[in-house]
Amino acid sequence: EDKVVQSPLSLVVHEGDTVTLNCSYEVTNFRSLLWYKQEKKAPTFLFMLTSSGIEKKSGRLSSILDKKELSSILNITATQTGDSAIYLCAVEPNNAGNMLTFGGGTRLMVKP
Amino acid sequence: DAGVTQSPTHLIKTRGQQVTLRCSPKSGHDTVSWYQQALGQGPQFIFQYYEEEERQRGNFPDRFSGHQFPNYSSELNVNALLLGDSALYLCASSTRTGVSYEQYFGPGTRLTVT
Repeated sequence: EDKVVQSPLSLVVHEGDTVTLNCSYEVTNFRSLLWYKQEKKAPTFLFMLTSSGIEKKSGRLSSILDKKELSSILNITATQTGDSAIYLCAVEPNNAGNMLTFGGGTRLMVKP
Repeated sequence: DAGVTQSPTHLIKTRGQQVTLRCSPKSGHDTVSWYQQALGQGPQFIFQYYEEEERQRGNFPDRFSGHQFPNYSSELNVNALLLGDSALYLCASSTRTGVSYEQYFGPGTRLTVT
């Protein structure tokens, strides 16, 4: 059974801080790892990492996939209050037709 | 272009009752997946519909069933509700041949079972 574990469960930082969120996974026949941001209800896509694309960056956010350690990190630099959300990590096996296994999420709160 | 829509937004039911949740996929999408997200947890895959048939199923009992209509919209039915069924139910739409990042989530239906 595929498994995704995220840490920490929650995090409180102040604006301007840098945070690192962790995701470790066990999946049969890995295809991709995805990061989502969930502010209220609908998760919104941030990054997808695959064996051929192990590092992604968008503005203050970046993510790296460690294929050897079966893990990924999501970095957020110069945090803002608008970054407050639940961050979800998910894995997709090959031939799974977009079926995702999610971790429990990390709740990030950024204080002014 | 409307994204994924779900109805109702909130729902309160009593143990033992039955509930139907609805999802309209994003325009151009033909595949609908349903997820259950309990409070403080990540979403869990329930099942996926394509061409009006259930194609994949997660580890959920038969009390959870679904349907997909010719216009690609979908329903999730839950029978004999339990307190533990209280959760946010998310619908995600995609194309059958699309990549996973092109899967869009709806705003969810918050179900409370009392």
